[in-house]
Amino acid sequence: NAGVTQTPKFRVLKTGQSMTLLCAQDMNHEYMYWYRQDPGMGLRLIHYSVGEGTTAKGEVPDGYNVSRLKKQNFLLGLESAAPSQTSVYFCASSYSTRGRALATEAFFGQGTRLTVV
Amino acid sequence: SQELEQSPQSLIVQEGKNLTINCTSSKTLYGLYWYKQKYGEGLIFLMMLQKGGEEKSHEKITAKLDEKKQQSSLHITASQPSHAGIYLCGADMNYGGSQGNLIFGKGTKLSVKP
Repeated sequence: NAGVTQTPKFRVLKTGQSMTLLCAQDMNHEYMYWYRQDPGMGLRLIHYSVGEGTTAKGEVPDGYNVSRLKKQNFLLGLESAAPSQTSVYFCASSYSTRGRALATEAFFGQGTRLTVV
Repeated sequence: SQELEQSPQSLIVQEGKNLTINCTSSKTLYGLYWYKQKYGEGLIFLMMLQKGGEEKSHEKITAKLDEKKQQSSLHITASQPSHAGIYLCGADMNYGGSQGNLIFGKGTKLSVKP
């Protein structure tokens, strides 16, 4: 059981370049999330998705786009990378709790370390 | 996120000492999660609290959620070097039911001196 898999694990981009980070989960989770982690800032939510074909903005969405065309995949795109987007990016997934009494934990990938020069 | 305030930001303790980390929200929480992160790695789920007054323990770590469901504490008894890392509290900020807006505090960096 792979859980949550992120690709790539490392990447160096030049300013202005574009790239897509892929997150794949094999747990049939409805919810998926993208975070960035910077020193002293904790995890900040970029975008999230509560189901296939739906996405929503999180705390820091500017400069990023996302797509959830398939339930198991959540893509994070940087159209024109900037040095301020140098960070470690984490993807996570969880079950939906709509109609359920209990909350549910999120499972995290191992992270993608992105450097924009 | 400023919606979840963690304290302290960092903590250095001597091995064998007890410690407490706090997480506070201005809103009532649907579910409160505690995760641990070793440096440079992904997040490991520790515990989830949902009911007011709830308390859970795992090995030497105990987490509590207050009656108002706005504050949680994580207590480590007899700390060990293996407890070192970053502890993060997280919560879904869409009151009334999880709708995916899962945010985290800034984390508490714990170092344990042998």
